[in-house]
Amino acid sequence: DTGVSQDPRHKITKRGQNVTFRCDPISEHNRLYWYRQTLGQGPEFLTYFQNEAQLEKSRLLSDRFSAERPKGSFSTLEIQRTEQGDSAMYLCASSFGRELFWGYTFGSGTRLTVV
Amino acid sequence: DQQVKQNSPSLSVQEGRISILNCDYTNSMFDYFLWYKKYPAEGPTFLISISSIKDKNEDGRFTVFLNKSAKHLSLHIVPSQPGDSAVYFCAVGNQAGTALIFGKGTTLSVSS
Repeated sequence: DTGVSQDPRHKITKRGQNVTFRCDPISEHNRLYWYRQTLGQGPEFLTYFQNEAQLEKSRLLSDRFSAERPKGSFSTLEIQRTEQGDSAMYLCASSFGRELFWGYTFGSGTRLTVV
Repeated sequence: DQQVKQNSPSLSVQEGRISILNCDYTNSMFDYFLWYKKYPAEGPTFLISISSIKDKNEDGRFTVFLNKSAKHLSLHIVPSQPGDSAVYFCAVGNQAGTALIFGKGTTLSVSS
């Protein structure tokens, strides 16, 4: 297992199109997180899964965003009707258990550019 | 309103000297304080953390100090190496929640 994998690495889309990103966490990790990072900012929390259950969502996750983790393994993040303000790096992270002391393991991210 | 502030956007240090990165937070309810390191085109990598019951944690060249009364934490890197050049984020969280709150980051440049 080489860590958290995200696909694609880069995505350029036209405004109004839908996009979907995939995250494959470390296999034994039951917790999966999505974060968004814009230029000059730190990562901002979007949503969190424990196994297949989506337990927490940020107010940043508008109605155009939906995330799933259907079998408690990989996760997808879909953005409908993309806007230029959605341009950002979308980061996935995973962890085992609840102990924040050990942090999360992040993937390399998907960079979205909306033109 | 920012709950986590890294007031220095950048820091330049010579190889072999000490690097000190600072972070301030606003909420005394946070339980965990973490530092992440990020290279370009990569995701953040966990570096070191400290819980609220400690005031110091050390791991090799990296030491994190926590001053709860001042709501301040710092990361010391001794000695600094050119490979330490990266963006450093501090992050905070509490045991009741799962989200980490990140600062905006400090770009460290270590010159040889």
